[in-house]
Amino acid sequence: SQTIHQWPATLVQPVGSPLSLECTVEGTSNPNLYWYRQAAGRGLQLLFYSVGIGQISSEVPQNLSASRPQDRQFILSSKKLLLSDSGFYLCAWSPGSTEAFFGQGTRLTVV
Amino acid sequence: GQNIDQPTEMTATEGAIVQINCTYQTSGFNGLFWYQQHAGEAPTFLSYNVLDGLEEKGRFSSFLSRSKGYSYLLLKELQMKDSASYLCAVSTDSWGKLQFGAGTQVVVTP
Repeated sequence: SQTIHQWPATLVQPVGSPLSLECTVEGTSNPNLYWYRQAAGRGLQLLFYSVGIGQISSEVPQNLSASRPQDRQFILSSKKLLLSDSGFYLCAWSPGSTEAFFGQGTRLTVV
Repeated sequence: GQNIDQPTEMTATEGAIVQINCTYQTSGFNGLFWYQQHAGEAPTFLSYNVLDGLEEKGRFSSFLSRSKGYSYLLLKELQMKDSASYLCAVSTDSWGKLQFGAGTQVVVTP
């Protein structure tokens, strides 16, 4: 069966510091991978998606970037965090155009 | 632009039925999804509709009308553990990208 791992679960970072969140998927090949962010009291917003190694599409302009160095690894990064980057970050995978399966999420607080 | 609307909050009694409506206006349509999200946790998949009609899965059912841009999630025999946020999401293309509504917080009371 397929599983998705995301870490860390919580993170408190100062403004201006770098960020790296990692997500890995097991039990499947060539998954579509996604990064979503959920601000407090709001719906999930798609940040990035990837359909293959090295293929990244950004959905909204922002202070973040994503990379996919391996088939089942997806990384979300920032060089300098802003207060507005605080939120609940969720990695997800799907086999194609059907349902997405989410990791447990990372609660990021920028102070 | 993309617009997905659902009520902010609904309250119902244990054992009752609750219907959560979702209306959408999107640039494309490749399916509608419902997710359940407990506070502080990741969303979990509940249902998927791509054709018009009703999909039933145990205590949960989901309905879709593509011509009306409308869906609902029906929760029967409510249990306390059903207290959660329910997210309506539309896939607008074949890449599996989802546009989410803001979620409906369902509160189940004894």
